[in-house]
Amino acid sequence: RKEVEQDPGPFNVPEGATVAFNCTYSNSASQSFFWYRQDCRKEPKLLMSVYSSGNEDGRFTAQLNRASQYISLLIRDSKLSDSATYLCVVNRASDMRFGAGTRLTVKP
Amino acid sequence: DTAVSQTPKYLVTQMGNDKSIKCEQNLGHDTMYWYKQDSKKFLKIMFSYNNKELIINETVPNRFSPKSPDKAHLNLHINSLELGDSAVYFCASSQAGTGRWRRAFFGQGTRLTVV
Repeated sequence: RKEVEQDPGPFNVPEGATVAFNCTYSNSASQSFFWYRQDCRKEPKLLMSVYSSGNEDGRFTAQLNRASQYISLLIRDSKLSDSATYLCVVNRASDMRFGAGTRLTVKP
Repeated sequence: DTAVSQTPKYLVTQMGNDKSIKCEQNLGHDTMYWYKQDSKKFLKIMFSYNNKELIINETVPNRFSPKSPDKAHLNLHINSLELGDSAVYFCASSQAGTGRWRRAFFGQGTRLTVV
């Protein structure tokens, strides 16, 4: 079983839609959590950290459920520019593990 | 100013050759990583160094040898290159410790093609 699991998608949604991505992790010792975004042929870039109490950054909302070892990302009012691969990242000590990523395409 | 820079950006080489990829970060981070992203786009950790000390060495062939001359540099040397080594290799760095500030910054990647 992979340490970090994500639904690979692809998710194809119209502009303005709300879309949610889920991620589960297997190591209960994991300490911090992030969502990264990767555009085609580019390096991953931090989208947002995930706080235990849940956090919001504009149209993006991240949630963490430590008991279920589950992380989510909600994108509201999708834009064409949101098209990318979204990577769930789980961190402990000097070990940062990535999920396989979920591909999102937002269409006009 | 590039925070994490790796060179070269593209590398095309023949099977059996030895090549190196260099990585430098100017963020003052203690931890550096090498990741491999294959054609299926999965980003897999290869190595992690903390203050020049090897912390993680995943199941990577010993043809791959990381070298950290100081905590700002982590180079990757690959011996006897094979076709299956073709991938994009990303260097990254982060601050040590735990917590949400331990975000990783990535280099632009090195696209290695073995022919």
